[in-house]
Amino acid sequence: EVQLVQSGAEVKKPGESLKISCKGSGYSFSSYWIGWVRQTPGKGLEWMGIIYPGDSDTRYSPSFQGQVTISADKSISTAYLQWSSLKASDTAIYYCARRTGGSNPFDIWGQGTMVTVSS
Amino acid sequence: QSALTQPASVSGSPGQSITISCTGTSSDVGGYNFVSWYQQHPGKAPKLMIYDVSNRPSGVSNRFSGSKSGNTASLTISGLQAEDEADYYCSSYASSSTLFGGGTKLTVL
Repeated sequence: EVQLVQSGAEVKKPGESLKISCKGSGYSFSSYWIGWVRQTPGKGLEWMGIIYPGDSDTRYSPSFQGQVTISADKSISTAYLQWSSLKASDTAIYYCARRTGGSNPFDIWGQGTMVTVSS
Repeated sequence: QSALTQPASVSGSPGQSITISCTGTSSDVGGYNFVSWYQQHPGKAPKLMIYDVSNRPSGVSNRFSGSKSGNTASLTISGLQAEDEADYYCSSYASSSTLFGGGTKLTVL
């Protein structure tokens, strides 16, 4: 079965760092792009960026450039989304999702990771 | 880049048809045939329902259809069923980026 399994919910304080993960299975992880999507009650879905695990080619949405870092380790079929200094406004559900190319849809989604940032 | 514009809510009775619109610009919806639609039930991840404007992935009911005219894409659901009640999001390719709509809550009366 093709699936993406994300790491569990996190509760952090403002200023702390965080790295969440997304592990693919059932397909050739290196051959598909993995994107990250933020969901908040007020703003719906927001595309954050995307990485091609095969060569780590990474693209960011202008809204998230410099705010997060996307990476991948193809040897363990895992993509990552990380923050160096969290803000309360980073509180959201984060989804990873697979796509075959830059213009293609996200056909497989992870279950989502809830990140809560609160003092 | 601004989010695509969708109505906040639509509703319909079982058996009826509804259409959800998704308005963008010539730089996204109007410029490419890469519009997708996702269905999201509460507490669940989004699910791909339509891609490349009007194509359905394997396993998606043919009650779901998509179209586009100019800068506006549309999702039509015919023969509404209770299980169709969910949030629906459109998405468009936009020059090496991806935009989502704000989402539409579908209520089946």
